Amino acid sequence: AQSVAQPEDQVNVAEGNPLTVKCTYSVSGNPYLFWYVQYPNRGLQFLLKYITGDNLVKGSYGFEAEFNKSQTSFHLKKPSALVSDSALYFCAVRDGAGGYNKLIFGAGTRLAVHP
Amino acid sequence: KAGVTQTPRYLIKTRGQQVTLSCSPISGHRSVSWYQQTPGQGLQFLFEYFSETQRNKGNFPGRFSGRQFSNSRSEMNVSTLELGDSALYLCASTTDRTNTGELFFGEGSRLTVL
Repeated sequence: AQSVAQPEDQVNVAEGNPLTVKCTYSVSGNPYLFWYVQYPNRGLQFLLKYITGDNLVKGSYGFEAEFNKSQTSFHLKKPSALVSDSALYFCAVRDGAGGYNKLIFGAGTRLAVHP
Repeated sequence: KAGVTQTPRYLIKTRGQQVTLSCSPISGHRSVSWYQQTPGQGLQFLFEYFSETQRNKGNFPGRFSGRQFSNSRSEMNVSTLELGDSALYLCASTTDRTNTGELFFGEGSRLTVL
């Protein structure tokens, strides 16, 4: 079965410092991987995805993610954090070739960026 | 272009009642999915509809049901509500042209069961 793990419940970083939010996955076949962000009392917003191609994927709001097949990881990164980046971040994987648009989400990581 | 619209945004019900939640997808999107979000279980997939047909279903009891209309609008229904059904219910739509799972989410319907 497909699954994703986000090992950190919370990540704290100072504004201006680089940030990393970790994600590891377990899939059969080629992984379709995603990052979404959720602000308080809002729905999820798509940040970026990896389907195929370059291992470094660039997305919205200056975020990027690095796909590492050997380590089965898809960590979210940003070179310089902003206070406004504080939110809940979810890693997700598509549930197999027959999963259509069913996504399996990780538990989420709360990012807190301090001034 | 209008986003995904969910109604109502907030509602309070008592145990044993039933509830219907509505979702209007982005214009042109034919796939609509529903997710339940709770602090304990996180985000869990309920079901997906495409062209009025349910083509995927999560591991929820039969009390949870849904449907999609010819205009792609979708509703989900929960019957015989339990306290554990209290959650944020999120609807998501997509064009489904490439089936790459990039979903556009609504702001959710927050259900409280007393």
